[in-house]
Amino acid sequence: DADVTQTPRNRITKTGKRIMLECSQTKGHDRMYWYRQDPGLGLRLIYYSFDVKDINKGEISDGYSVSRQAQAKFSLSLESAIPNQTALYFCATSDMGGTIYEQYFGPGTRLTVT
Amino acid sequence: AQSVTQLDSQVPVFEEAPVELRCNYSSSVSVYLFWYVQYPNQGLQLLLKYLSGSTLVKGINGFEAEFNKSQTSFHLRKPSVHISDTAEYFCAVSDSDTDKLIFGTGTRLQVFP
Repeated sequence: DADVTQTPRNRITKTGKRIMLECSQTKGHDRMYWYRQDPGLGLRLIYYSFDVKDINKGEISDGYSVSRQAQAKFSLSLESAIPNQTALYFCATSDMGGTIYEQYFGPGTRLTVT
Repeated sequence: AQSVTQLDSQVPVFEEAPVELRCNYSSSVSVYLFWYVQYPNQGLQLLLKYLSGSTLVKGINGFEAEFNKSQTSFHLRKPSVHISDTAEYFCAVSDSDTDKLIFGTGTRLQVFP
């Protein structure tokens, strides 16, 4: 089984709809991240959480919110989806100890907003 | 804050030819450096990392990278590429001020037969 899983893998939704992307991990890591990937722009950080009670905005948090339900679960919500949120979304985790910067990625969620 | 520059957005190369993917980062006292690979329709996978020690780092699938502090570079190399190396490659650097990874914009390696 994969260490970092994301659901759904693909989603098409309409403008104005609320949508939630979910991430679960079995690695036992404290830190979790949400990124979006757009062609030519690389990965941009949306939100990150260093533990269950510590949630922080990344560089592009507008229009998004997150919830850290447990150490293993970190959800990303789009309150009112708009077409320019069409992108590939990745969840990642890293460990508090050792190489905290080494991140482990989920398979991604391809979101299309029409 | 740190920044990462991947100068080449696309690198086309023939099979069995050598390849170098370039990565430069902004200067800092100490950094950790990473290369990730993203195969089509997949997530990112760690290719190799530099934390300390030897400046020549070997990774999976025959890739290696060299940390050059004076030139603030961490270029990725492979002496002979395969069709299966076709993917997007991301360089990333640690940012101790924010305790996060900063990613470059990626280089798409296309290997032709």
